[in-house]
Amino acid sequence: EAQVTQNPRYLITVTGKKLTVTCSQNMNHEYMSWYRQDPGLGLRQIYYSMNVEVTDKGDVPEGYKVSRKEKRNFPLILESPSPNQTSLYFCASSLTGGPGELFFGEGSRLTVL
Amino acid sequence: SQKIEQNSEALNIQEGKTATLTCNYTNYSPAYLQWYRQDPGRGPVFLLLIRENEKEKRKERLKVTFDTTLKQSLFHITASQPADSATYLCARFSSGSARQLTFGSGTQLTVLP
Repeated sequence: EAQVTQNPRYLITVTGKKLTVTCSQNMNHEYMSWYRQDPGLGLRQIYYSMNVEVTDKGDVPEGYKVSRKEKRNFPLILESPSPNQTSLYFCASSLTGGPGELFFGEGSRLTVL
Repeated sequence: SQKIEQNSEALNIQEGKTATLTCNYTNYSPAYLQWYRQDPGRGPVFLLLIRENEKEKRKERLKVTFDTTLKQSLFHITASQPADSATYLCARFSSGSARQLTFGSGTQLTVLP
């Protein structure tokens, strides 16, 4: 089954404790992206990657890091989480990063105390 | 910046009626507009894509229009059913180096039985 898999789905952590949210897709997609979703603000892009070793900032990259060492994986790293990073995070992928369908994961709800 | 706005946060309609959701954009016309459905606690799911040079696109009970003069897209669900209740997101695709989708904040549709 074609899918984007995120882990963990739920996480409560404390300020400053580094964490990684993993994302994996099994569709051989070139393009992957991370979004955060907050009430009233909609989905905002954090980082995206056009292919292996190619990443770029989205609209809200501060406080986040990403890497794309393999085509299928695109982890999101919070080096020193802060409470304002409490949010619902979505990983997404598409074939080429063109205008076609974006496939989303199920989301990771992060709470930073 | 390229903004995209969905005017109504929430829309309630009676079963069997046509639901019409609005999406407005600023500045230049996007090459493409997309519509997604999002259920509570789930990732968005792609529904339809419409190109700038297309006036209308249909898929089963769904219809999307694109009016570049009004800078607006309308999303219609005909013969609505309670199962259509969800949040609907529109997104604009920006060509060029960024190649990212910019999402509206969504309209929560409730179809009353």
